[in-house]
Amino acid sequence: DQQVKQNSPSLSVQEGRISILNCDYTNSMFDYFLWYKKYPAEGPTFLISISSIKDKNEDGRFTVFLNKSAKHLSLHIVPSQPGDSAVYFCAASAETGANNLFFGTGTRLTVIP
Amino acid sequence: NAGVMQNPRHLVRRRGQEARLRCSPMKGHSHVYWYRQLPEEGLKFMVYLQKENIIDESGMPKERFSAEFPKEGPSILRIQQVVRGDSAAYFCASSPRTGDGYTFGSGTRLTVV
Repeated sequence: DQQVKQNSPSLSVQEGRISILNCDYTNSMFDYFLWYKKYPAEGPTFLISISSIKDKNEDGRFTVFLNKSAKHLSLHIVPSQPGDSAVYFCAASAETGANNLFFGTGTRLTVIP
Repeated sequence: NAGVMQNPRHLVRRRGQEARLRCSPMKGHSHVYWYRQLPEEGLKFMVYLQKENIIDESGMPKERFSAEFPKEGPSILRIQQVVRGDSAAYFCASSPRTGDGYTFGSGTRLTVV
């Protein structure tokens, strides 16, 4: 029962272009969403989050968009850099900062120099 | 200021043996979380502990798995009588208080042969 879904297992983007990573969820009780970035042999590191009261949150090259009616969020990275190559996980919780995060299966982003 | 420390990084066990995974939270963090990542899947919540207390173990398998976070020392995730299906990456995270975002360790990769 995968409540958070990332349907694209991989994505390749040219350096300098925009990367768009997508995430869908099924639980309408989710109200806090996070993106984590993971390099091989390391733990996930927090990237950016968004509360359900907002539809956009921006931090430097990273922007997360939330469409509550579609139960969809996306992470935009622009411009993409080779160092962005990693696996990106979408996560959600049913209350802000809740102890139990539900993770997607991840999207492997490759930024081609 | 060391991050979340997990050891060992890699652990190989034969079927039927016990596996012990250790997690030392960041300094000042009293909340510990364990997640498991099976091959080709996202991270799945297992258990949330505070010092000497299990707060939420809703993600723990009912048998063979146990966790503790004693007053002194690291948190331990114990798997008794391991089976091949236990092979996974086990990640620990910590936070200073409930509701805060948390920091992951680099994980322990358990292989059951």
